[in-house]
Amino acid sequence: KQEVTQIPAALSVPEGENLVLNCSFTDSAIYNLQWFRQDPGKGLTSLLLIQSSQREQTSGRLNASLDKSSGRSTLYIAASQPGDSATYLCAVLTQTGANNLFFGTGTRLTVIP
Amino acid sequence: GAGVSQTPSNKVTEKGKYVELRCDPISGHTALYWYRQSLGQGPEFLIYFQGTGAADDSGLPNDRFFAVRPEGSVSTLKIQRTERGDSAVYLCASSAEDRWGEQFFGPGTRLTVL
Repeated sequence: KQEVTQIPAALSVPEGENLVLNCSFTDSAIYNLQWFRQDPGKGLTSLLLIQSSQREQTSGRLNASLDKSSGRSTLYIAASQPGDSATYLCAVLTQTGANNLFFGTGTRLTVIP
Repeated sequence: GAGVSQTPSNKVTEKGKYVELRCDPISGHTALYWYRQSLGQGPEFLIYFQGTGAADDSGLPNDRFFAVRPEGSVSTLKIQRTERGDSAVYLCASSAEDRWGEQFFGPGTRLTVL
């Protein structure tokens, strides 16, 4: 069964810093990897989706990379802002026949003004 | 356009009661998923519909949980004889046939079983 791990579990940074969130997965046979943002008491907002054939995706201040062979992805946030404070979840879609996403437990980010 | 919607946003019930949670996917999306998120955890898969049929229900924890999607659009997750351990946020997601790998999530229903 696919297992997804996110490190660190929580991160606190001052405003303006660049930061990296890490995600690792045990089964490298994936179709894609998605990064989501979740605000307290809210649903999931998709930030970036990387197909298995891609190495990275960028959206504004966000850049996600994928190294499928090593089972790793990173989410880079440039020039962090207090509004970036949220929980960030990564999820993978595997090639094993299941159509569901396997999620990590998330990284709770706090950006201090 | 409208995203995935879920009702109610919050549901408080007593142990042993029956509850129904509703999901309205993005119009035209053929695939619909239910996930459950416990406090401090990532969402865990419950069931996946392709059209009207449940293509994969391997994530349903036991036979108290059941879901339907009779017309291939709106889905209802039904929980019988609720237990305190069922308390969680229930998330629904949908995806389009031509981009089935990308799932769009609703705001969730927070279920509290007293």
